Amino acid sequence: EVQLVESGGGLVTPGGSLRLSCAASGFSFSTHSMNWVRQAPGKGLEWVSSISSGTRYIYYADSVKGRFTISRDNAKNSLYLQMNSLRAEDTAVYYCAREGYAYWGQGTLVTVSS
Amino acid sequence: QSVLTQPPSVSAAPGQKVTISCSGSSSNIGNNYVSWYQQFPGTAPQLLIYENNERPSGIPDRFSGSKSGTSATLAITGLQTGDEADYYCGTWDSSLSAWVFGGGTKLTVL
Repeated sequence: EVQLVESGGGLVTPGGSLRLSCAASGFSFSTHSMNWVRQAPGKGLEWVSSISSGTRYIYYADSVKGRFTISRDNAKNSLYLQMNSLRAEDTAVYYCAREGYAYWGQGTLVTVSS
Repeated sequence: QSVLTQPPSVSAAPGQKVTISCSGSSSNIGNNYVSWYQQFPGTAPQLLIYENNERPSGIPDRFSGSKSGTSATLAITGLQTGDEADYYCGTWDSSLSAWVFGGGTKLTVL
């Protein structure tokens, strides 16, 4: 069974940093691209970033470019999102999703507030 | 403002059919596959349709997708109260090098 479990969310002050993790199991993690998608309270889905299986291709939404860094450790079956210079508008539930968006984690809440 | 345009809400009676539109451009829908997602409050989205009109295993055939030019449509027949949810379209935008979602459509089954 495919499982994606996010962690690392929490409350952070504006300008602060946070690192999200996504632990994958039940499939060959190293052969699939992975994605981060977020959803602000009461709002729609917003794609954040994607990384190819071998990290050759990495993409970011304009809203996070230069502040967020996506990475992965195929040996640990894990996906990461390093978030720096956080802003109030980054407050959202962050989901990791497998290539094709057929599988999603349960999400982790990031709150940016003073 | 989303790159893909969906109606904010649609409604229909139980048993009826409803369609949800998703309008884009040649850089996204016009030249890439479209997916559709269903999301209930407080839960993660679920893939309903991929590659314009394919259903993952376990998705009832009441749900169908189509694409024409730069627009896509999700159709739901035999509406049930349990279909009340938010629905999103999504696709790759080749000009932006970004995945894009529609703004979402809230379905109400009256």
